[in-house]
Amino acid sequence: GAVVSQHPSRVICKSGTSVKIECRSLDFQATTMFWYRQFPKQSLMLMATSNEGSKATYEQGVEKDKFLINHASLTLSTLTVTSAHPEDSSFYICSASPTGGETQYFGPGTRLLVL
Amino acid sequence: QKEVEQNSGPLSVPEGAIASLNCTYSDRVSQSFFWYRQYSGKSPELIMSIYSNGDKEDGRFTAQLNKASQYVSLLIRDSQPSDSATYLCAVGENTGFQKLVFGTGTRLLVSP
Repeated sequence: GAVVSQHPSRVICKSGTSVKIECRSLDFQATTMFWYRQFPKQSLMLMATSNEGSKATYEQGVEKDKFLINHASLTLSTLTVTSAHPEDSSFYICSASPTGGETQYFGPGTRLLVL
Repeated sequence: QKEVEQNSGPLSVPEGAIASLNCTYSDRVSQSFFWYRQYSGKSPELIMSIYSNGDKEDGRFTAQLNKASQYVSLLIRDSQPSDSATYLCAVGENTGFQKLVFGTGTRLLVSP
């Protein structure tokens, strides 16, 4: 149980394009999902907390207009990197917490490369 | 600012030995604690959660929590080369938003 999927697993795009990443909780409902970014050999960095049916809460320094988050259902949250640039290349990982719980279960991650 | 501290390592142990990973946290009112394992290039996977003082065992893993001293540890018995990974300690923020504060992780190397 507690499986989280992400799609795509890997994406390469040209600078200036937008990329959408999906995060799904497969066998549980998640009121809250989280989006992290991890650069090589660095620790996880929380970007935003996504709540079903409401606006996401962004961490300090994360541009909400650049990283658009939509959490339209209890099993799906999406992160759109708008007008991606090479410095946005990173490993993006989502996690989900079962409704009422605190444990976070991570998706497999999406590796983004912006050329 | 709430902090979770871990020694970055690497912690090197021979196969079959006990690996001891430690973590301290700054927020005295924290109530929930987690250990995740992250292999290189992969996302974190949950190993254990612990909420009460004392030990919690799951197979070869034992989590230990001491709220008075604000530390949590993870023991891995009979360490295997496949245990070589980075181990992340995470502490619940206790704000109602379900956020976790992660340490930077300890890299464990188990040599055959």
